[in-house]
Amino acid sequence: GESVGLHLPTLSVQEGDNSIINCAYSNSASDYFIWYKQESGKGPQFIIDIRSNMDKRQGQRVTVLLNKTVKHLSLQIAATQPGDSAVYFCAEIEYNQGGKLIFGQGTELSVKP
Amino acid sequence: DTAVSQTPKYLVTQMGNDKSIKCEQNLGHDTMYWYKQDSKKFLKIMFSYNNKELIINETVPNRFSPKSPDKAHLNLHINSLELGDSAVYFCASRLRRGGIQETQYFGPGTRLLVL
Repeated sequence: GESVGLHLPTLSVQEGDNSIINCAYSNSASDYFIWYKQESGKGPQFIIDIRSNMDKRQGQRVTVLLNKTVKHLSLQIAATQPGDSAVYFCAEIEYNQGGKLIFGQGTELSVKP
Repeated sequence: DTAVSQTPKYLVTQMGNDKSIKCEQNLGHDTMYWYKQDSKKFLKIMFSYNNKELIINETVPNRFSPKSPDKAHLNLHINSLELGDSAVYFCASRLRRGGIQETQYFGPGTRLLVL
């Protein structure tokens, strides 16, 4: 299940299940959105991105959905594997802001074998 | 081959000391960034340099001073370290002239602990 509170939100799933990680962003002027994966002790790693003029983009086992009406972004991971265990961040960029990433809170995904 | 590297990986120091963290990228990028990640994993931009010119300077105490000797390097110097500076500091780089879709690549992080 998923929990949100003072601690980092966590999502626990069984290996092989699909995972959905949600993110609310703040700036309606953001042009571009990215999902990053951060494994323990490492830096964030790019997973998939989407422009503001799109509502869906698919990669290998991952899909990003963008709903600009409610400023919501989601990352779907198909057939989740133990190697997917990490903290996942959404980030937004506004075109005229020098490319700075504004990160969301992050969700910790735990995959049970 | 390491794309974005940072040194040191761990830094433990006393309050009041001055320390530097170094970052180098071998990707040929023209823009580099420093981010701070706190104990709750929250990541926040601090600075950005494009072609050695400061382009982003968030609300960061002036004890923090970035320096970019060339496009491939962005160092972070911190004066009079405080307990609240304890965090993980990430360097990132990107090819800005490639447009907004150009990915930012992150270094492995420097874990700073101020005692």
